[in-house]
Amino acid sequence: DADVTQTPRNRITKTGKRIMLECSQTKGHDRMYWYRQDPGLGLRLIYYSFDVKDINKGEISDGYSVSRQAQAKFSLSLESAIPNQTALYFCATSDFQRLAETNTGELFFGEGSRLTVL
Amino acid sequence: QKEVEQNSGPLSVPEGAIASLNCTYSDRGSQSFFWYRQYSGKSPELIMSIYSNGDKEDGRFTAQLNKASQYVSLLIRDSQPSDSATYLCAISVPFGNEKLTFGTGTRLTIIP
Repeated sequence: DADVTQTPRNRITKTGKRIMLECSQTKGHDRMYWYRQDPGLGLRLIYYSFDVKDINKGEISDGYSVSRQAQAKFSLSLESAIPNQTALYFCATSDFQRLAETNTGELFFGEGSRLTVL
Repeated sequence: QKEVEQNSGPLSVPEGAIASLNCTYSDRGSQSFFWYRQYSGKSPELIMSIYSNGDKEDGRFTAQLNKASQYVSLLIRDSQPSDSATYLCAISVPFGNEKLTFGTGTRLTIIP
């Protein structure tokens, strides 16, 4: 089983619908992130969380919300989906302790959730 | 100006040759620099990290950092078809690695 699991892997929905993408991890990491990837635009950070009580906006948070239900779970919601939110979404984790000591900057990514908004 | 810039490619390199990938960044306070590899349809994976000026070698991969010129590069020696992928440059903003800023990626194709 993957260490970082995203559901659903593929979703097609209509404009105005509410969508939730879920992420769970078994790595025991404190930090979790949501990125979206668009052709020609690379990976852009939507939200990130350092622990259950800490949620931070990334560079493109408008139109999105998140919930950190537990250390291992971090979900991304689109309250009212629009076509320009069609993208590949990645959840990622990192280990704060390891980062502080070794400064590796390694993110561990889930397999991605491809969302299409019609 | 984008924070992290990469040539999108595609970059085609014959098998066995050296592939050279470049990345420039705008924030002089950037402290940590990373190269991620992403195969088509897959998620990114870290292949190299570098924090100090100079070269860092790991197998067939060499990362080069020049903070004065604000660029970081990745060299792949003895390129193999399995190296065909998109390579993402990423930097960490000051105050730690809590978030990475990624470039748009360079698509590399190794020609057998």
